[in-house]
Amino acid sequence: DIQMTQSPPSLSASLGDKVTITCQASQNINKYIAWYQQKPGKAPRLLIRYTSTLESGTPSRFSGSGSGRDYSFSISNVESEDIASYYCLQYDNLPYTFGAGTKLELK
Amino acid sequence: EVQLVESGGGLVQPGRSLKLSCAASGFTFSNYYMAWVRQAPKKGLEWVATISTSGSRTYYPDSVKGRFTISRDNAKSSLYLQMNSLKSEDTATYYCARHETGSWDYWGQGVMVTVSS
Repeated sequence: DIQMTQSPPSLSASLGDKVTITCQASQNINKYIAWYQQKPGKAPRLLIRYTSTLESGTPSRFSGSGSGRDYSFSISNVESEDIASYYCLQYDNLPYTFGAGTKLELK
Repeated sequence: EVQLVESGGGLVQPGRSLKLSCAASGFTFSNYYMAWVRQAPKKGLEWVATISTSGSRTYYPDSVKGRFTISRDNAKSSLYLQMNSLKSEDTATYYCARHETGSWDYWGQGVMVTVSS
């Protein structure tokens, strides 16, 4: 199974900050990584697929990059509505596996 | 508007069975792979099962293989998850999700399953 090491587990940011979350796969995942946002009591929401493709409706302040084993997800100009947990997902190989998540909080 | 609505959750004793359902609307259900993903309380996300458009191919992680069965009825635009030999570690919110180019673009609101004596 491919392990997804996501960091940091939690992040504290001020409004307007830029934050970055990373995921490292245990092997090359050929850019097949997606990023999800989850707010308490809600289903995850797909923000980015295939490393950097923004889903319809995803604000442009969200971005993704990476290749091989190393990937990152950034939010520029954090807004209050971005306070949530974020998860990476690799879908290159079965079983699909998620990172452990990053909880973004306001400083 | 795409909608996925899960049902069938509840409290069940260890070793017993439960069947979840997911009613889909707002898209051509038969054109999409579908999946179940779960989340234990205060924990991360775990993929549980995927089914092909026709239902002829199914995929599971080792944690549920042999105990869970995913199925679908395209005529009813419905997805199912039969869960047998339930364990306490199966306690989670179960989400129905639509596959789109590998990842999952639409999710239901989730249904809670609690396995406890």
